[in-house]
Formats: sequence, C-alpha cells, structure tokens
Amino acid sequence: QSALTQPASVSGSPGQSITISCTGTSSDVGGYNYVSWYQHHPGKAPKLMIYEVSNRPSGVSDRFSGSKSGNAASLTISGLQAEDEADYYCTSYRSDGTLRVLFGGGTKLTVL
Amino acid sequence: QVQLVESGGGVVQPGRSLRLSCAASGFSFSSYGMHWVRQVPGKGLEWVALTWYDGSNEYYADSVKGRFTISRDNSKNTLYLQMKSLRAEDTAVYYCARPWGYDYADYWAFDIWGQGTMVTVSS
Repeated sequence: QSALTQPASVSGSPGQSITISCTGTSSDVGGYNYVSWYQHHPGKAPKLMIYEVSNRPSGVSDRFSGSKSGNAASLTISGLQAEDEADYYCTSYRSDGTLRVLFGGGTKLTVL
Repeated sequence: QVQLVESGGGVVQPGRSLRLSCAASGFSFSSYGMHWVRQVPGKGLEWVALTWYDGSNEYYADSVKGRFTISRDNSKNTLYLQMKSLRAEDTAVYYCARPWGYDYADYWAFDIWGQGTMVTVSS
C-alpha cells in the first residue's frame, strides 16, 4: 500500500482534459508545497513534469498543470495527445522525525 | 550533456550483498544532493535513499533502513548504494536521480534520472 493515494487508471480521448488526484495527509501533501509529478513510459527514465505543486520545468508543455487543496494534489492534462499515454506518479516530501520522499502508487493514463 | 549512468546490478542470492554505482557527468556533482529510487517489476516507484551534497546527511526508506547505505565520492563524481542482507522483495530496477536544484527546497523533485540497473534477488 503506497503512502500517497492515486487512482489506478484514468482515460480520455484526444483533445480532452483529465485530472489525476494524489491524496496524502497533513504531514506530507497538506503540510508542504513539495509535491511533484512524473511521467513514466515503460522502459524509460521517469520525467519530471511538475515540481513544488504547480511549477513546470523548462521544456514541459503548458498542457500540464498542477494544484493542491488541503491534503490532496492534482495533475491536469489538457488537450490530451496520444504521446501522453503513460504512468504518472506524484511524490511529496514528508518530515516526521526523519526526512523522506513518498511516492503515490501510480496512475495509468490511457488515451482512447 | 547532463547524464547519470547506473551500474552494478545483477542476480544475487538472498542474504548476500551488492553495491550499485551511479556515474555522473555534465554537471557539478558535488553541488547536488542525490537520491536512489527503485521500481519493483510491474509495480510503482519507491524512494530508497537520499544523501546531502557533501555526504554529511543520509536518509532512508523504512524498508531498507539498516540494510542499505548511500554514499558518494565527489572526487569521482560517483554515487553508491551498498545493499546488504538482500531479500526477494528488493528485486527491482534501481535508479539514481538528481534534484532539480541545489537548495533544500529543491531536493524533493528529481529532474535527471539514470536509465536504471536491474537487481534480482533469487536463489
């Protein structure tokens, strides 16, 4: 069981928007703005898509956006494209006597 | 070209040890904290360990604490993961990953990843 909860799968048609949720606690997602999102195509290295809740690294499409409310963070992908089909993971910093990084269980995005 | 290249994976018996390496190039390795992350086949990603830029602090996932040791040699631009008392559940692809910046706030997102090295623990 992963520390952060994500839906196992989401799907959408090309051009549509989808949102992936990531639920934690007040000790991680809700307590700090250190939520990140990664895109992972099987067999390749994960790619950072969002850091610090809503910031996009250089080179990442503005179709990807992040937000947070309380203990839940979200990744929204607008204008879905076939190449967006991948696994998506959220992470959060947690500090409770020691420092660590928590991953969500991952969400498989299918572009129909 | 910024790059991380892992090595040292392989097949090892339960209870034995293995050391992974991660060679860094194209950036100032000694300025960055570094992480290890793993992925069990067919499962999700799991954070394993973190070392500060100078090796002065180390942090571990509960699942590996006391068995794995993260270290670095900044003179060789290399990160290590010493794994002892290996278990079947440690079977995974192990990635090294670089935070996106130098500061503490930057440590928690990883913008550069290696391609991974496979560790199989089996008798």
